[in-house]
Amino acid sequence: KNQVEQSPQSLIILEGKNCTLQCNYTVSPFSNLRWYKQDTGRGPVSLTIMTFSENTKSNGRYTATLDADTKQSSLHITASQLSDSASYICVVSDSYGANNLFFGTGTRLTVIP
Amino acid sequence: GAGVSQTPSNKVTEKGKYVELRCDPISGHTALYWYRQSLGQGPEFLIYFQGTGAADDSGLPNDRFFAVRPEGSVSTLKIQRTERGDSAVYLCASTKDRDTGELFFGEGSRLTVL
Repeated sequence: KNQVEQSPQSLIILEGKNCTLQCNYTVSPFSNLRWYKQDTGRGPVSLTIMTFSENTKSNGRYTATLDADTKQSSLHITASQLSDSASYICVVSDSYGANNLFFGTGTRLTVIP
Repeated sequence: GAGVSQTPSNKVTEKGKYVELRCDPISGHTALYWYRQSLGQGPEFLIYFQGTGAADDSGLPNDRFFAVRPEGSVSTLKIQRTERGDSAVYLCASTKDRDTGELFFGEGSRLTVL
């Protein structure tokens, strides 16, 4: 069964600190993995998209890594800001049917001053 | 506008009523998705359009839910005889390339069924 699991479910960190969010998946065959940021009451916004051959991709203070062998990905946030408070959702695509996107339930990050 | 537009942003209705939610995707995006998101959960797939046709509607929970995209652009999600359990945020997303393209989401339509 194709699944995407994220951890931790929620996280609270101090402003300025770094943090790492985890995503494990069983989706096969794998096509790409995406990280989205979703502010409360807003739609998800894409942070990164990684294909099988990419190990790491950065978008400002966000760096995503992918290990396709172990089927794990992480999202590292550097020097956190209050505006980073949001849910971060991992989405894996198998490109194997019309509905090819599998969503994790997200990690709720709260950055406090 | 430049982004995916959804209307209404909020809809409160009574149990048993009919509701329509509209999605206006980014111009030129042929693929359009509808998702439903409950509090604290990730988006749950409902239906996917490629052009005018529903390529996959396996996520629609029952026959009270229906969606159309008659001209391959704007899509409408229709819910008949609404139930309290239908309360959720309904998200629409579009992309130019289903396999590798960035998926752009709208802000969602929050439906509350009293």
